[in-house]
Amino acid sequence: AAGVIQSPRHLIKEKRETATLKCYPIPRHDTVYWYQQGPGQDPQFLISFYEKMQSDKGSIPDRFSAQQFSDYHSELNMSSLELGDSALYFCASSLGGLTEAFFGQGTRLTVV
Amino acid sequence: AQKVTQAQTEISVVEKEDVTLDCVYETRDTTYYLFWYKQPPSGELVFLIRRNSFDEQNEISGRYSWNFQKSTSSFNFTITASQVVDSAVYFCALRRGNSGGSNYKLTFGKGTLLTVNP
Repeated sequence: AAGVIQSPRHLIKEKRETATLKCYPIPRHDTVYWYQQGPGQDPQFLISFYEKMQSDKGSIPDRFSAQQFSDYHSELNMSSLELGDSALYFCASSLGGLTEAFFGQGTRLTVV
Repeated sequence: AQKVTQAQTEISVVEKEDVTLDCVYETRDTTYYLFWYKQPPSGELVFLIRRNSFDEQNEISGRYSWNFQKSTSSFNFTITASQVVDSAVYFCALRRGNSGGSNYKLTFGKGTLLTVNP
């Protein structure tokens, strides 16, 4: 069965650079979520989209933005990167509230 | 506000021992869902189980079992005859029920690191 695809899997950036993370949800899933997991931490909700509209917002820095495109894939854009942005970034998708959230394998971002 | 507490930060057991991971939650929602996810050293988040607030039946899946008790707001997870491959961080999570709207974010506990030694 198709799963949530995230790219890239690993990313190394320097401070003040920008990064774009991509997420391809499971086909027919209409909701996409982004989570950030720092080292030794639990995943923290950043933002979600339902049918291409932002549906909820968590602790997402103003330096970050995200959108969901017409083909339902989503991108998380991160600017002016800081060392503290180093984390595992997960994308998840679901069929609204009808299914559990299925997670991608994550993108490990390292800011040096 | 929703909150999930996993009081056990780390647990270490020897293979074949049974182990129970505790999860206590807080929510004002009348309908909600509880989840357990496994995060092995490779880092992915693997879905294990979903339980809705109306269903207090315990569930068993192979060596895994879950005990949901609404009266104590707990959703505990037991691994029977643990194996080395069970070593991982286990997260309990909470989400609102399907009451309309589109915000179904998960609130995670801090996780429990389970180490199963041979």
